[in-house]
Amino acid sequence: DTAVSQTPKYLVTQMGNDKSIKCEQNLGHDTMYWYKQDSKKFLKIMFSYNNKELIINETVPNRFSPKSPDKAHLNLHINSLELGDSAVYFCASSQWTDVQETQYFGPGTRLLVL
Amino acid sequence: RKEVEQDPGPFNVPEGATVAFNCTYSNSASQSFFWYRQDCRKEPKLLMSVYSSGNEDGRFTAQLNRASQYISLLIRDSKLSDSATYLCVVNTQNSGNTPLVFGKGTRLSVIA
Repeated sequence: DTAVSQTPKYLVTQMGNDKSIKCEQNLGHDTMYWYKQDSKKFLKIMFSYNNKELIINETVPNRFSPKSPDKAHLNLHINSLELGDSAVYFCASSQWTDVQETQYFGPGTRLLVL
Repeated sequence: RKEVEQDPGPFNVPEGATVAFNCTYSNSASQSFFWYRQDCRKEPKLLMSVYSSGNEDGRFTAQLNRASQYISLLIRDSKLSDSATYLCVVNTQNSGNTPLVFGKGTRLSVIA
């Protein structure tokens, strides 16, 4: 009964390929995110969706295209993969309450581009 | 200047020690503050929120100084299981749909 799940857990691929990462949350949250954690362990926001609508799109190459078919799913498609795309990609979800917003992270997808 | 800056690590401490982590943030409009914990090759998990009046959860105490834009985390009676990277996290809005801004984290190793 994992709250936020991602597939695949590991992804090794060649430069130039196109790949997708899937994320699902069963918490009933309205908001979902994609974060990237690079080799220096710095975790940075990429995208945020609220009820299937794009809310935040940080400075990310347009080779990255998120898609949210419903509010429980947020997938990330990456075209023409580059060496620098190698990182851990974390999906997260959250729900605002009157007090605060806690974000719950998925287990991460470790992407290695060769 | 980075948005959220933390003590450089790693901190290597013996079991039972008290250890303190510091963090500063640059955006004075920041509204919510947190400490997250990330174990090796795992996802970040919320450790505790940080409130203006300071708050405690068992062996963990968090403090916030808005005037100095400074956050701290104190761990008393360190356990081996406390070994992890501690991430200082800030949210610039006090509402939903906003991303968290993470510090680079401070790694803690508790040694037997």
